[in-house]
Amino acid sequence: EVQLVQSGAEVKKPGESLKISCKGSGYTFTTHWIAWVRQMPGKGLEWMGIIYPGDSDTRYSPSFRGQVTISADKSLTTAYLQWTSLKASDTAMYYCAKTIVGAPYDFDYWGQGTLVTVSS
Amino acid sequence: QPVVTQEPSLTVSPGGTVTLTCTSSTGAVTGGYYPNWFQRKPGQAPRTLIYDTSKKHSWTPARFSGSLLGDKAALTLSGVQPDDEAEYYCLIYNGDAWVFGGGTRLTVL
Repeated sequence: EVQLVQSGAEVKKPGESLKISCKGSGYTFTTHWIAWVRQMPGKGLEWMGIIYPGDSDTRYSPSFRGQVTISADKSLTTAYLQWTSLKASDTAMYYCAKTIVGAPYDFDYWGQGTLVTVSS
Repeated sequence: QPVVTQEPSLTVSPGGTVTLTCTSSTGAVTGGYYPNWFQRKPGQAPRTLIYDTSKKHSWTPARFSGSLLGDKAALTLSGVQPDDEAEYYCLIYNGDAWVFGGGTRLTVL
């Protein structure tokens, strides 16, 4: 069974760092792209970026480039989304989603989401 | 980066048919944009219904179909059920840019 299991909810203070995870199982982790998507409270889905775990080829949305870091650990079959200094405006639900094998634009499974709350 | 536009809201009667559309500020949405459609219900993660314009996953109900209509990508629901009430998002791929539409809130009434 294909699964993307994300790490649990986080409550952080502004300025703190954070790394959330998305563990893939039931498929060949290295041959499917994994994307990260943000949904702020009451808002729509926003594309953040995507990584190919096979070679760590990573593409960022211009809106998120320099604001977050996307990475992957093949040995742990896990993708990550990382902040070095959180802001209150980073409060959102974050989802990972994987592609069908090969191409970076045909999606299938999603993670359950990780709620990040940033508040002083 | 293109701006992708969807109808903010639509209402349909149970058993009816409704078409949601997805337009790009950069011009016609073609198959080369590989449109995907996602359904999101409150408190749930999004679910992929359609990829590559019109391809369905094993879990996609037969009443959902994707297509190109003129210069837009489209998602058509035929024989709408109350359970289809949700938000629907399109996603298009434009070179190295992936962009979501703003979403359509579908009400079944």
